[in-house]
Amino acid sequence: DAKTTQPTSMDCAEGRAANLPCNHSTISGNEYVYWYRQIHSQGPQYIIHGLKNNETNEMASLIITEDRKSSTLILPHATLRDTAVYYCIVRALYNFNKFYFGSGTKLNVKP
Amino acid sequence: DAGVIQSPRHEVTEMGQEVTLRCKPISGHDYLFWYRQTMMRGLELLIYFNNNVPIDDSGMPEDRFSAKMPNASFSTLKIQPSEPRDSAVYFCASSSPSGENPYNEQFFGPGTRLTVL
Repeated sequence: DAKTTQPTSMDCAEGRAANLPCNHSTISGNEYVYWYRQIHSQGPQYIIHGLKNNETNEMASLIITEDRKSSTLILPHATLRDTAVYYCIVRALYNFNKFYFGSGTKLNVKP
Repeated sequence: DAGVIQSPRHEVTEMGQEVTLRCKPISGHDYLFWYRQTMMRGLELLIYFNNNVPIDDSGMPEDRFSAKMPNASFSTLKIQPSEPRDSAVYFCASSSPSGENPYNEQFFGPGTRLTVL
């Protein structure tokens, strides 16, 4: 499975959009991009996933480049409660044992 | 739904003691996962079950670790004997790919923080 590269940390002002990048240059055609987040002392929480088209749900938007080698998670209006570690994961649909979380990006939302 | 339930939330034990962690998955979910999280190694998958049957235990660190799922609503992760290096947060997660969520979103429990002295 493809590995991912994310910045260690990012800051964002409350109310502004948070754009979290992820590089996955070795992604295969059958691999999806998943995003999870982990708020301090809690279990990881699913945010969104996609294959090649941009996706949007009530939590976030996912923008995947045309070559699928990178993606960006967008939180449109970050709040203090969005402070968390965000994980970008790439895996084929039913490869449960390949769910590598990596080290993620610590997003700090500041007032 | 109450979500994935784990117990205990915190466990402190001494080296050599047996430790049993418990998990109740979300009702109707047919996949159950056990993860371990440490600062050094991040979040690692230990084992997962499908319909109560262990499918892949390649992530279990050694024979001291064992996991069971006697029925669809209960699973245990046992460490015997425990060692200080087993100190970590252990998460249980469940999912149901065949239901409303065909893309394998996993729902995580709050975790059990284990400290082995």
